[in-house]
Amino acid sequence: DAKTTQPPSMDCAEGRAANLPCNHSTISGNEYVYWYRQIHSQGPQYIIHGLKNNETNEMASLIITEDRKSSTLILPHATLRDTAVYYCIISNFGNEKLTFGTGTRLTIIP
Amino acid sequence: GAVVSQHPSWVICKSGTSVKIECRSLDFQATTMFWYRQFPKQSLMLMATSNEGSKATYEQGVEKDKFLINHASLTLSTLTVTSAHPEDSSFYICSATGPLVREQFFGPGTRLTVL
Repeated sequence: DAKTTQPPSMDCAEGRAANLPCNHSTISGNEYVYWYRQIHSQGPQYIIHGLKNNETNEMASLIITEDRKSSTLILPHATLRDTAVYYCIISNFGNEKLTFGTGTRLTIIP
Repeated sequence: GAVVSQHPSWVICKSGTSVKIECRSLDFQATTMFWYRQFPKQSLMLMATSNEGSKATYEQGVEKDKFLINHASLTLSTLTVTSAHPEDSSFYICSATGPLVREQFFGPGTRLTVL
């Protein structure tokens, strides 16, 4: 699976959009970009995934660059409950084993 | 999303004893379950992959005789930590998925403390 690079930490003001970047320059054509988050002392939670096109669901939006070498997860209106570690993971199929990197620790500031 | 439960949510045991952790998929058939371990301030590390009715596949460096995994049904997988020692103290997390599912659903985790 392709390796990902994420900033170790980010802050975002409550109510503002949180934009979390991820670099995955070695991604191959059939690999998806997955985002999970882990709130302290809980199991990870699936957020969103995409292949080429931008995706949106009730939790977030995923913007993937045209060359697919990077992506951005957008939480449109961050709340304090969005404080968590966010993991960007590259996977052929979401139902195969996942390799978790160090992720980005997002802190929402009141 | 689908719900995955783990039991117990936390356990404290004496060194040398064995501990069993259950992982259940509550509303879908989980043909594959994964077991992860997470030490404080670290990321999740995959321990093993279990497919229903088959022997588990362990990651390099994980002792299969120490961490016994059973996936006897489509809704239940168990992880037994045998002869636990303090260095086995960790946060154990399972996830479940199936052939028609594009993501993994994670349990809430089990915190094991070995005294």
